[in-house]
Amino acid sequence: GENVEQHPSTLSVQEGDSAVIKCTYSDSASNYFPWYKQELGKRPQLIIDIRSNVGEKKDQRIAVTLNKTAKHFSLHITETQPEDSAVYFCAGFRTDYKLSFGAGTTVTVRA
Amino acid sequence: GAVVSQHPSWVICKSGTSVKIECRSLDFQATTMFWYRQFPKQSLMLMATSNEGSKATYEQGVEKDKFLINHASLTLSTLTVTSAHPEDSSFYICSARRGGDEQYFGPGTRLTVT
Repeated sequence: GENVEQHPSTLSVQEGDSAVIKCTYSDSASNYFPWYKQELGKRPQLIIDIRSNVGEKKDQRIAVTLNKTAKHFSLHITETQPEDSAVYFCAGFRTDYKLSFGAGTTVTVRA
Repeated sequence: GAVVSQHPSWVICKSGTSVKIECRSLDFQATTMFWYRQFPKQSLMLMATSNEGSKATYEQGVEKDKFLINHASLTLSTLTVTSAHPEDSSFYICSARRGGDEQYFGPGTRLTVT
């Protein structure tokens, strides 16, 4: 099945700086990679996703890049704000069309 | 659109009792529903996949006789934790898919077993 590894586990950035989270996956057949933001005690919220036929996708301050050859994808948050502080999870489809999640990255934006 | 609700949002029960958690898709029919468990400071772990009118598919290591799943309709799935023990205390989250890739998550249920 799919194995998704996520780094770093924690990330502290100064407000206004960029944050980058990286994930690698093992199943070359995976074709869907969503990113979720989860605040304490809340549900995961989809913030952006990318499919394997696209190399990059951007939505305002958030972007995701995908390198199929290297089997890794990254989340980029620019101009970070305190409200960006949360736990971020990457995920990828297993061969059975179910999601496998990374371990999560706790992002803290320092004011 | 694509709203998923869960009930209850939190529950405390005594060891040895059973607890039922409901997951509903409010404005769409879900082809598939998923049940996850999340321990503090950990990731979401898939427990089982539920399809309307058929038996749930459990992940390896998840006891199907302990975590009973019923998917009675295209908008409702229930998870019953039977003979709960303190180690079952966790955050249980459901999600629903309506045919595409995206999953829509419920708000979660915090279970505490005393």
